[in-house]
Amino acid sequence: DSGVTQTPKHLITATGQRVTLRCSPRSGDLSVYWYQQSLDQGLQFLIHYYNGEERAKGNILERFSAQQFPDLHSELNLSSLELGDSALYFCASSPRGDPLAKNIQYFGAGTRLSVL
Amino acid sequence: DAKTTQPTSMDCAEGRAANLPCNHSTISGNEYVYWYRQIHSQGPQYIIHGLKNNETNEMASLIITEDRKSSTLILPHATLRDTAVYYCIVRVLMNRDDKIIFGKGTRLHILP
Repeated sequence: DSGVTQTPKHLITATGQRVTLRCSPRSGDLSVYWYQQSLDQGLQFLIHYYNGEERAKGNILERFSAQQFPDLHSELNLSSLELGDSALYFCASSPRGDPLAKNIQYFGAGTRLSVL
Repeated sequence: DAKTTQPTSMDCAEGRAANLPCNHSTISGNEYVYWYRQIHSQGPQYIIHGLKNNETNEMASLIITEDRKSSTLILPHATLRDTAVYYCIVRVLMNRDDKIIFGKGTRLHILP
């Protein structure tokens, strides 16, 4: 158990809909990262938040957005869903900023999104 | 971050040592070698990392060549539960933009 909690585990929805994926980082971790894993693209970095602020963006579509709340949990919002958005979405957390933490990211179990 | 090259897949007999190679010939002086693995559809799991000295922990050993252009992850006594995709990643220890760029990794099959 990595200590990172993602909900829900599975999500089935229809095209055009909007969903929210939730991530609770390990206790005390300030950084949250979101990754997408689809069959043809592998693991792709989406976005990084540190203590409530956006730090880096990767291959994240404009239809997708994220935020990190004062209690450090994060949400990834996916809207106007398309069939191609079906994927596993992983959240990771890291203490970042602590040299002893060695820049290790701890991943949650993921949310499997199926868009029908 | 430097690029890495790994074999697409490997087989290893259960109980034997699994040696997974990784080439990172463009590695910079401040970049570390990290290994993660992903067991089928689970979240990636950190295994080990190192700079230039060999490292060992409860999961594996990491051997880095003297010129740091390649490394080998060693699982000393592979079990069926070690069947996974193993990712070799090169990145700095502390960086403002410290996302992980995953390649395709090596799919390791442990054979009974």
